[in-house]
Amino acid sequence: GAVVSQHPSWVICKSGTSVKIECRSLDFQATTMFWYRQFPKQSLMLMATSNEGSKATYEQGVEKDKFLINHASLTLSTLTVTSAHPEDSSFYICSARDFEGNTGELFFGEGSRLTVL
Amino acid sequence: QKEVEQDPGPLSVPEGAIVSLNCTYSNSAFQYFMWYRQYSRKGPELLMYTYSSGNKEDGRFTAQVDKSSKYISLFIRDSQPSDSATYLCAMSANQAGTALIFGKGTTLSVSS
Repeated sequence: GAVVSQHPSWVICKSGTSVKIECRSLDFQATTMFWYRQFPKQSLMLMATSNEGSKATYEQGVEKDKFLINHASLTLSTLTVTSAHPEDSSFYICSARDFEGNTGELFFGEGSRLTVL
Repeated sequence: QKEVEQDPGPLSVPEGAIVSLNCTYSNSAFQYFMWYRQYSRKGPELLMYTYSSGNKEDGRFTAQVDKSSKYISLFIRDSQPSDSATYLCAMSANQAGTALIFGKGTTLSVSS
């Protein structure tokens, strides 16, 4: 099946620094990717929809200047957490929909665990 | 009221038991219903995918959708310790380019 790869799988950073997380669709093209955040024992909460070649669409309450999303190619979307603070520590998961497979199934990456000290 | 409600559990069963997991929802526009399994510190993986109402079976897993009651279920037969994970229901109103709305997830533990 289709594969979505995320990198890094975990990262620890100091408060105030910026962290970039990559999401790649390995064997299909994804014009749309989604970024979710998951806190411990909570569900996935949609942060933003990443559109190739255009601006991302952010969910209500998500600061676009803090969570910068770039979708420069059909196989890569990046999420940059700028000036990270401890409250940004979370599990960030991306997903992409494989329309080439006709089912439009949504595939998820393995997630990136961010810890801000 | 949240769009998707799911009992977080935890749910503990012995090996071989039949497990029933459920979600309710409030948005009547939802037409696509999915169940994902998520192991600790991993991304979700799709288990079952159902369009509109009805039943779908895949091995030991059966998904049911009752749109009139806005209620979906996942049944696991002959549960195994390897089934121990968090199960998330998810749904969307349309397929094309639409993000999913997830339930909180139910944590299942199957003991041998």
